[in-house]
Amino acid sequence: GAVVSQHPSRVICKSGTSVKIECRSLDFQATTMFWYRQFPKQSLMLMATSNEGSKATYEQGVEKDKFLINHASLTLSTLTVTSAHPEDSSFYICSANSGRKDEQYFGPGTRLTVT
Amino acid sequence: GQSLEQPSEVTAVEGAIVQINCTYQTSGFYGLSWYQQHDGGAPTFLSYNALDGLEETGRFSSFLSRSDSYGYLLLQELQMKDSASYFCAVGRVARQLTFGSGTQLTVLP
Repeated sequence: GAVVSQHPSRVICKSGTSVKIECRSLDFQATTMFWYRQFPKQSLMLMATSNEGSKATYEQGVEKDKFLINHASLTLSTLTVTSAHPEDSSFYICSANSGRKDEQYFGPGTRLTVT
Repeated sequence: GQSLEQPSEVTAVEGAIVQINCTYQTSGFYGLSWYQQHDGGAPTFLSYNALDGLEETGRFSSFLSRSDSYGYLLLQELQMKDSASYFCAVGRVARQLTFGSGTQLTVLP
């Protein structure tokens, strides 16, 4: 099956710093990738749709200047959390659609802790 | 907007059958999916329905009724490893997914 990787799996950073999270589709090309955020015991909330070669589409209420998304190639999308604050601490998960029905493949997630 | 409702918790014993229901209200509908997520892990795809009816994949089946905006996931021959959170999700036009709040399934020995 299709594999999506994320790096890093876990990161701790200080308040005010920026963190970059990478999402890669390993064995397929993904023109579109998605970024989700999940707080403990809660559902996945779609943050943005990352489109290769064009600007990302952000969901309502998500600050595009705070969560910078770059989709530079068909296999890589990055999410940069800028000027991170403790309330940004969460589980960030990316996904990609391989083109088969609506089956999305999720990365293993990145747990961000901002101190 | 989009909203999905599913029970927050379900408990069953090993070997039993459990059904997790999902009702939805959406402005656009491109299929109902089901995902499993173990604690600390990523969601994994279980099943997808674009049309009314039952889809069977091994021990898991999923049903959709578009006229009722309703679907369910049926898990048979429950095993301890099935203890996890289960999410229904509605697909949107650009293949984004809107997830339900999740159902925590606990399988007892």
